[in-house]
Amino acid sequence: ETGVTQSPTHLIKTRGQQVTLRCSSQSGHNTVSWYQQALGQGPQFIFQYYREEENGRGNFPPRFSGLQFPNYSSELNVNALELDDSALYLCASSQAGQLGGYTFGSGTRLTVV
Amino acid sequence: QKEVEQNSGPLSVPEGAIASLNCTYSDRGSQSFFWYRQYSGKSPELIMSIYSNGDKEDGRFTAQLNKASQYVSLLIRDSQPSDSATYLCAVRIGGRRALTFGSGTRLQVQP
Repeated sequence: ETGVTQSPTHLIKTRGQQVTLRCSSQSGHNTVSWYQQALGQGPQFIFQYYREEENGRGNFPPRFSGLQFPNYSSELNVNALELDDSALYLCASSQAGQLGGYTFGSGTRLTVV
Repeated sequence: QKEVEQNSGPLSVPEGAIASLNCTYSDRGSQSFFWYRQYSGKSPELIMSIYSNGDKEDGRFTAQLNKASQYVSLLIRDSQPSDSATYLCAVRIGGRRALTFGSGTRLQVQP
């Protein structure tokens, strides 16, 4: 059974640019959630995708958007990058309806300069 | 008031001691409670989950839940230097799909 994989592991972007982060779900999981973790903080929920549609969103502006594909993999897109977008971006997959905790991927460290 | 609160620490304990980590939450509709361990530069790792009042033990770890007082704790027995990490409390608040995390408590186990 493969776990959650994320790419790339590290990324440096310039303010104003756009970035796409990728996540492959754990086998058998149909739901993907994305979190942002700033330095010294806990993960903050960005949004969740189920059956290729967004079905939950945290307090993030519309320039944070996502996609889920038929194979349940997912992308997180961030437009017009700001310095405060520098963070660890975490992806977690789960099976819809499960009450258990998430298993996170290894994350993508985004630095905006 | 934050929805999930933790003391940021650092909590320093000697090797072999019991480390006690605490977390409070604001919503009485919260249903599921989790503890994650996060080493510096790594992603969070799920170590314990608890759903009903009382204690749940797994090896050296014990999670305790008191819904009436709205707190959940994690005890680590026989603490080891390898337990040094940030411990994140996460709560599934009733009606929400996502987990809500505290800001974490940094634990230092001194050899």
